[in-house]
Amino acid sequence: DSGVTQTPKHLITATGQRVTLRCSPRSGDLSVYWYQQSLDQGLQFLIQYYNGEERAKGNILERFSAQQFPDLHSELNLSSLELGDSALYFCASSGSGSYQETQYFGPGTRLLVL
Amino acid sequence: AQKITQTQPGMFVQEKEAVTLDCTYDTSDPSYGLFWYKQPSSGEMIFLIYQGSYDQQNATEGRYSLNFQKARKSANLVISASQLGDSAMYFCAMSRSNYGGSQGNLIFGKGTKLSVKP
Repeated sequence: DSGVTQTPKHLITATGQRVTLRCSPRSGDLSVYWYQQSLDQGLQFLIQYYNGEERAKGNILERFSAQQFPDLHSELNLSSLELGDSALYFCASSGSGSYQETQYFGPGTRLLVL
Repeated sequence: AQKITQTQPGMFVQEKEAVTLDCTYDTSDPSYGLFWYKQPSSGEMIFLIYQGSYDQQNATEGRYSLNFQKARKSANLVISASQLGDSAMYFCAMSRSNYGGSQGNLIFGKGTKLSVKP
């Protein structure tokens, strides 16, 4: 158990819908990362938050947004869903977001868009 | 641009033997980190080992060691005494130091699927 929790574990929804994925980082970690894993794109970095503020953006679509709350949990919002958004979404956390720190991953949320 | 290359889509190894999973990277940053993660069929990502770009010695964690050759830009994972439970996907990843405001996010290779035979 990495100490990072993600809910829900599975999500099935329809095209055009909106979903919210939730992540709680390990105790004491201030930095949260979101990654998407799909068969065609592999593992891709989406966005990073540090202590409530956005720190870095990767290949995140405009239909996607995220935030980190004062209690450090984070949410990833996916809207106007398309079939191609079906993927495994991971949250990871680390202490300060330094490049030398290990990122510990949550169990992931498996999203299926029908 | 930063890139991780894993050239072995799949590998087989006999139980109790050692296996090397290849990873090469491309970066112009002087400071970076190299990581290996294991992803079993259940889907979770499990951290295995870390090597910093300035580390003089190869990292080791139990049965895992990282063969770091900086000049060749390679960071191969060596698993000794393979076990059936080692069957999984293995990902090599790189993080970079603060550059243009982006720090720490991981760039992943496409992975190597390791199958351990009894």
